[in-house]
Amino acid sequence: GAGVSQSPSNKVTEKGKDVELRCDPISGHTALYWYRQSLGQGLEFLIYFQGNSAPDKSGLPSDRFSAERTGGSVSTLTIQRTQQEDSAVYLCASSLSTSINGYTFGSGTRLTVV
Amino acid sequence: AQSVSQHNHHVILSEAASLELGCNYSYGGTVNLFWYVQYPGQHLQLLLKYFSGDPLVKGIKGFEAEFIKSKFSFNLRKPSVQWSDTAEYFCAARLNTDKLIFGTGTRLQVFP
Repeated sequence: GAGVSQSPSNKVTEKGKDVELRCDPISGHTALYWYRQSLGQGLEFLIYFQGNSAPDKSGLPSDRFSAERTGGSVSTLTIQRTQQEDSAVYLCASSLSTSINGYTFGSGTRLTVV
Repeated sequence: AQSVSQHNHHVILSEAASLELGCNYSYGGTVNLFWYVQYPGQHLQLLLKYFSGDPLVKGIKGFEAEFIKSKFSFNLRKPSVQWSDTAEYFCAARLNTDKLIFGTGTRLQVFP
């Protein structure tokens, strides 16, 4: 597609439920990144996929968070047993091969845990 | 630890005022630096980037930034702001890995 597409745009879930957030990167972009944007916290790196390499999971805040990227394209970020502190905007970005020219961001998924 | 700092959290200006937003990073090696802008209700967009060469980088909408290696800084400037520049501005750095590290952002409000 023309841009990075994320779905859903908004998600309200009850504490303790699992959620899945989807990212469809720009066609041909081999690198895909997930960030979390919380009020006053800036953008917090979560996970990075590059081609067929093992993902860089160093930013995942707990083992409740996981992500996969199937077929080198679409990625799903899963949060299990959601907590209120997981409420944030989850941003996906992609780049052609490396981040040397920066990323293209999606519009994000606003997650609210009640 | 590698980090990016933005010292101005909230800046309020009148139209036509000059703007300078601070950004510092902590890393002694080669860096690529970026400024992103997020207009209200919109996604993050790249404003400008420093790759190498001329340390004064010009971006879209009249913005520029200067890379000063000795100060580990990459401040964003605009000589005369407009109401439409109201947005949140994020500085980011690509350090020794292929992911960007972002600052906490600066919220700019411009009043007519």
